[in-house]
Amino acid sequence: SAVISQKPSRDICQRGTSLTIQCQVDSQVTMMFWYRQQPGQSLTLIATANQGSEATYESGFVIDKFPISRPNLTFSTLTVSNMSPEDSSIYLCSVGQGIFETQYFGPGTRLLVL
Amino acid sequence: QKEVEQNSGPLSVPEGAIASLNCTYSDRGSQSFFWYRQYSGKSPELIMFIYSNGDKEDGRFTAQLNKASQYVSLLIRDSQPSDSATYLCASDSGGGNKLTFGTGTQLKVEL
Repeated sequence: SAVISQKPSRDICQRGTSLTIQCQVDSQVTMMFWYRQQPGQSLTLIATANQGSEATYESGFVIDKFPISRPNLTFSTLTVSNMSPEDSSIYLCSVGQGIFETQYFGPGTRLLVL
Repeated sequence: QKEVEQNSGPLSVPEGAIASLNCTYSDRGSQSFFWYRQYSGKSPELIMFIYSNGDKEDGRFTAQLNKASQYVSLLIRDSQPSDSATYLCASDSGGGNKLTFGTGTQLKVEL
């Protein structure tokens, strides 16, 4: 499977600020996704990052709050904008590989908003 | 709403026993099902996936799928303390290669 890295691995931020999370893959992939995992919860899909076009957001998530870039087939960023303590979470990127586009996850970014 | 449901546990089994983890799903259109293991503080790690009715074995792990009953399970034979983790079940019910995750079952393997 692809090797996936995320930066930063963790951060503590002040409310009202924004944080950009990077996801880098060591091979070209078609499908990239961004998830959120709130404390003690399961994974919730934020959006599908589409190369060369706007991301596709899931219900409850909007571009103004979570802008996503996908400039090429190995890289994507997720920005968490105008943060509040409710945005404290783990943010994970995943990539799809193989016949079934099986998803593999990056190590995650642990965000705490004060 | 398309859902994947799991018992949150914790499920406690003695070392060496078989751990049985269960998952049900609501979307009959789901084709593929995935089991992920997540250690505390870590990201999910794929264990195996299944798309045909019946059993699929990989080492100590066996996934079972029953589409008529909309039921997926994961058996872990010869459970080890290192198997203690949260196990997430997911289906492709979201379409477009998207996954819908269950809330996970916490497994504790006791010495």
